[in-house]
Amino acid sequence: KAGVTQTPRYLIKTRGQQVTLSCSPISGHRSVSWYQQTPGQGLQFLFEYFSETQRNKGNFPGRFSGRQFSNSRSEMNVSTLELGDSALYLCASTLSGADYGYTFGSGTRLTVV
Amino acid sequence: EDQVTQSPEALRLQEGESSSLNCSYTVSGLRGLFWYRQDPGKGPEFLFTLYSAGEEKEKERLKATLTKKESFLHITAPKPEDSATYLCAVISNQAGTALIFGKGTTLSVSS
Repeated sequence: KAGVTQTPRYLIKTRGQQVTLSCSPISGHRSVSWYQQTPGQGLQFLFEYFSETQRNKGNFPGRFSGRQFSNSRSEMNVSTLELGDSALYLCASTLSGADYGYTFGSGTRLTVV
Repeated sequence: EDQVTQSPEALRLQEGESSSLNCSYTVSGLRGLFWYRQDPGKGPEFLFTLYSAGEEKEKERLKATLTKKESFLHITAPKPEDSATYLCAVISNQAGTALIFGKGTTLSVSS
């Protein structure tokens, strides 16, 4: 079966711009989470959506937002980009809860210049 | 606050030289501990889930164990293709649906 698909794979943006990243979960998976991975901080939780509702949120500023559609596809948006937002953004999906583990996509590499 | 610490940060092994990676955790109500493998430029790949102290799981050359304070990933007779970063993560009552990750151990196996 198809895995978690993230688009685009690579993105270069300028400071101050905004960006939207997309994630298509495994078919049937209703929970989608987003993580930011940097060399210094490792993997950090951004937020989780389940049935179009944000169910959990990490400690990131309000510039980071997301949404989930009725087909479980999800998008995350970062406004007013800063150099420190350069990272690998990973999407992960699971059937319903975290207890059974998440399947991750290959990520979107965002570079802010 | 939930915390996960992995050691060592990096490990170099010769092919066939067995070793163990450590993941120590401090969480309020552990619900599960996960091991992932990550290759450069890719997302983490699921390896194991452990739920309670004393539990063990095996897959090929890998074996994961869990105690009340830490987990070990034992690698028996590693091969060069086992080279990757190994990540440990937990879910807890406090963090809810969020995975709390350690910084990982980067394993290099040379032939």
